[in-house]
This record gives sequence, C-alpha cells and structure tokens, in this order.
Amino acid sequence: TQLLEQSPQFLSIQEGENLTVYCNSSSVFSSLQWYRQEPGEGPVLLVTVVTGGEVKKLKRLTFQFGDARKDSSLHITAAQPGDTGLYLCAGGVGNSGYSTLTFGKGTMLLVSP
Amino acid sequence: DSGVTQTPKHLITATGQRVTLRCSPRSGDLSVYWYQQSLDQGLQFLIQYYNGEERAKGNILERFSAQQFPDLHSELNLSSLELGDSALYFCASSVGPGAHNEKLFFGSGTQLSVL
Repeated sequence: TQLLEQSPQFLSIQEGENLTVYCNSSSVFSSLQWYRQEPGEGPVLLVTVVTGGEVKKLKRLTFQFGDARKDSSLHITAAQPGDTGLYLCAGGVGNSGYSTLTFGKGTMLLVSP
Repeated sequence: DSGVTQTPKHLITATGQRVTLRCSPRSGDLSVYWYQQSLDQGLQFLIQYYNGEERAKGNILERFSAQQFPDLHSELNLSSLELGDSALYFCASSVGPGAHNEKLFFGSGTQLSVL
C-alpha cells in the first residue's frame, strides 16, 4: 500500500501571508494531483504534475513535483480567505486509472481576514 | 458546480438499516466512482463503473454494493449499517475509463450519519 503523508495537518494564517504545504511518500508516483475541497463540497482538481522536478503555477499557487517523484509541495503566495479549504494530494501509479489513485489525508488551511 | 449530482445531501439512519445513495454523472461522462471520506481514513476509493460495467474495486465492504444503470446514473447501496459507516460518500465521474490525463469531477457528497 502506497501512503501519502501531508503536512501540516492544519494551518491557520492571516490574509497576505505565504505558506507551503507538503506531500511526501516513500513510493514513486507517475503522477501527482492536488485538489482543494471546500466545506460541504467535493474535491476540485487544481493541477496534475507528471515529470520529476516539474513546476506548475496557477495564479498565486505554485506546485512542484520532487525530482524523485516521491514528494510534492504547494506554495501559496499572499493567501486570501478564498484559499480556505482542505488541500489534498493524490498519487497515481502508471496509467492504470483513478482506481489506483492514493489520496493523502489533507492539509486544512484557514485564512483569516 | 461540477455537473455531478448526488442525492440525498444528508442521511440519518439507525444501525442495521439499509440506504441507497444516488449519483448522476456529468453529461457525457461514462465512468462513475464512489469514494468514502472519514476523518481517520481520508478519501478511500470504493468502486468504479465504466459504461455500465464494474471496472475496478477498492476497499468496498461486502455489505456495500453498487450498480450503474443504462442511463449512466449510479447507486451505492449500504446495508446492515454500523456506526463506523458514518462518513461522507462522494461520487465522481470522468469521461473515459479513468486514465490520469482525464479530469475527475466530484459531486458534493452525501453525509451519512448512523445512530
């Protein structure tokens, strides 16, 4: 069983601060996805990274896939209250489908005005 | 709005009972997935149907079953409910059989409380 450890579990910051959350595993993944889940809603896909060392940017969010494809990070610049939510990472093996996607337990981010 | 519709949004029932959760995928999506989300286990894959056929099975208990109908909507049946079955149940859909280059769309979930 491949495990994804996310840290920190909970993060409470003020609007305007920067933050980084981490997703680590001892296993190699062929792809790594990040989702954001808002209260009362399902997860929404933010990004997919597939190449070791890959960096993708989505406005104020920067995603990086580790060189060895075992870890990933999500950096948010100048956080806003709208960034509040549960951030989930999910690792995939091969291209065998979403049934083999392993989810981390998430980082709960609270951004206060 | 993801386009995936789940009903009901909340369900409260007693131990030993049986419930049915319903999911309509996004228009055009052939795959439906069921996930269970709890605080201690996180998001766990239960089962996937593709175009009416079971395609993959995850950590689904024998007391649970699912099916996908010709109109592609799906139902998840949970029977002999136990307190530990209390969780958020999500349905998701994708256009194809689920390659990682396809996007996965989640519904808003059904919150099941077993008392």
